[in-house]
Amino acid sequence: VHIVQSGTEVKKPGDSVRVSCKTSGYSFLDYNVHWVRQAPGQGLEWMGWIRPGSLKTGASERFQGRVTISTDTSANIVYMDLSGLTYEDTAVYYCACPIRAATFFDYWGQGVLVAVSS
Amino acid sequence: QSALTQPASVSGSPGQSITISCTATSSDVGIYNLVSWYQQHPDKAPKLIIYEGDKRPSGVSARFSTSKSDKTVSLTISGLQAEDEAYYYCCSYALSDIWVFGGGTKVTVL
Repeated sequence: VHIVQSGTEVKKPGDSVRVSCKTSGYSFLDYNVHWVRQAPGQGLEWMGWIRPGSLKTGASERFQGRVTISTDTSANIVYMDLSGLTYEDTAVYYCACPIRAATFFDYWGQGVLVAVSS
Repeated sequence: QSALTQPASVSGSPGQSITISCTATSSDVGIYNLVSWYQQHPDKAPKLIIYEGDKRPSGVSARFSTSKSDKTVSLTISGLQAEDEAYYYCCSYALSDIWVFGGGTKVTVL
């Protein structure tokens, strides 16, 4: 399993951001992909998930209405769009893939920094 | 407000054992076999070290073990080594396809 995420993003307050997660080495359609973020000096925060094969998604209440998780199944890529950015959205955003079972995350991307700055 | 509470920090000397607690504060999280643990070194992605309550992925040291008491799940690191200095997070699958992380515990090797 190999996961590669897109590069650093610098955005202004109020902007939207799209980060991507390209996976390989497993059956992309059959396993969920999750998004987890980590603000500077803070802990891990689960954001949401998608099942590429069914396009079913779910998200933490904290992000509902602001986060959209989508996929390009032809390219094995999952996208996470976050709108209405504030300074508090400055964080490293990880995608994580539960392969052995759906309830834990055994493969992680390298993370992508989204910095919100005026 | 995380539904899983961890101590902010735990420390120990090399060779000692330390325990990190993870206490569920709501009824739909913290079910033992749905809890996983992650180790994170600075500027690195988290690494799975325990899944389904007490299972270790291949390559993870047997010095990592878990136990459960009521609504608290605990991770024990035996024979503490310098390389164990990191942050540790518990995580639980809750009902309705929601996951929750604990606040994280910084382990310091003295």
